Amino acid sequence: AQSVSQHNHHVILSEAASLELGCNYSYGGTVNLFWYVQYPGQHLQLLLKYFSGDPLVKGIKGFEAEFIKSKFSFNLRKPSVQWSDTAEYFCAVGPPDSWGKLQFGAGTQVVVTP
Amino acid sequence: DTEVTQTPKHLVMGMTNKKSLKCEQHMGHRAMYWYKQKAKKPPELMFVYSYEKLSINESVPSRFSPECPNSSLLNLHLHALQPEDSALYLCASSQDGGPADTQYFGPGTRLTVL
Repeated sequence: AQSVSQHNHHVILSEAASLELGCNYSYGGTVNLFWYVQYPGQHLQLLLKYFSGDPLVKGIKGFEAEFIKSKFSFNLRKPSVQWSDTAEYFCAVGPPDSWGKLQFGAGTQVVVTP
Repeated sequence: DTEVTQTPKHLVMGMTNKKSLKCEQHMGHRAMYWYKQKAKKPPELMFVYSYEKLSINESVPSRFSPECPNSSLLNLHLHALQPEDSALYLCASSQDGGPADTQYFGPGTRLTVL
């Protein structure tokens, strides 16, 4: 079955540490890739997305992600996290020809300690 | 304005009740979505409306009935729900439902079925 996999369910790290969250998908063809974040008590919001062009995508709050087509991956990175980055992070894929459908990964809970 | 609003914020209902969830956006988007999110899980797509027509129904039980009265409003009518339907119900909107669209999410309605 087609799927979206996030490798880590829980990540705990200290402020100023670097963060990398893995995301792999199994769809063939042209896909659109997203990272969404859900801060505690807040609504889901877009961090960044890729649909064409430069495979290194920069988003809000210092996040970036790299699309590697050969590895079916779209990993999220931030060089130096802050306490305010504590949140749930979801990778999502818009499969080919999938009007309206977003397939979410299981999510990664990130806790940043002061 | 990139806001999607949802009412009510919280809803408690019995299994014989009829209630409705409401969602509104004023971004001129022509696609609107209902998702169900259980605790510590990713959102699961329920319905998609595109240009006020139901375009996707993810095999949702008939006790959930969506309605799109106009391009800004989306309702979800609830009847004879089960306790396992307790969840956070999220509404989202996007430009037109295209696969590269960014979906803008509301804060959700936390539903408890007794």
